[in-house]
Amino acid sequence: LAKTTQPISMDSYEGQEVNITCSHNNIATNDYITWYQQFPSQGPRFIIQGYKTKVTNEVASLFIPADRKSSTLSLPRVSLSDTAVYYCLVGVTTSGTYKYIFGTGTRLKVLA
Amino acid sequence: DGGITQSPKYLFRKEGQNVTLSCEQNLNHDAMYWYRQDPGQGLRLIYYSQIVNDFQKGDIAEGYSVSREKKESFPLTVTSAQKNPTAFYLCASHRGLGSNQPQHFGDGTRLSIL
Repeated sequence: LAKTTQPISMDSYEGQEVNITCSHNNIATNDYITWYQQFPSQGPRFIIQGYKTKVTNEVASLFIPADRKSSTLSLPRVSLSDTAVYYCLVGVTTSGTYKYIFGTGTRLKVLA
Repeated sequence: DGGITQSPKYLFRKEGQNVTLSCEQNLNHDAMYWYRQDPGQGLRLIYYSQIVNDFQKGDIAEGYSVSREKKESFPLTVTSAQKNPTAFYLCASHRGLGSNQPQHFGDGTRLSIL
């Protein structure tokens, strides 16, 4: 059974680095790993995407080990406005069928 | 500005009534998706469409129906057979399955029972 799992919740303080891991043991060979941020009553917003090793943009970094069965979203120096739910999204192939699966979501709370 | 527009933002359904949620995109994306999100929960796939006039069931399709007559439009109907329709519904579009481009999301429709 294809599963994409994340920690349910995390707390952090302003200015700290936060790392959120997603396990995706059935990721399809050619598929990318995408991370989203969601605020209440809004649609998920794209943060970062990668295929392997490390990707960095202006808001986050994404670390992907060689086996690609997990990925880690890194948010440097979080602020109160980073309080949100974070989801990973991967494509998986199960019984010959390709489909996208969202992770279970991680609720990040940033404290002052 | 390119993007996805969902309407209405809030919708109420009476017992035994069908309601239709609208989703329009001007991103020229081939694939479109409908997700359901319950309070404090993740996103579950209802239906998806990779191309006009074709669509497939997701994980929780019972009680829902869709159509894809135009590339830019993918309306979702919540039928009276869906006994627990209260949820937040999200529409997304994508260049296509296997593409390395991310899915883009609308801002959702919140459906409640009267």
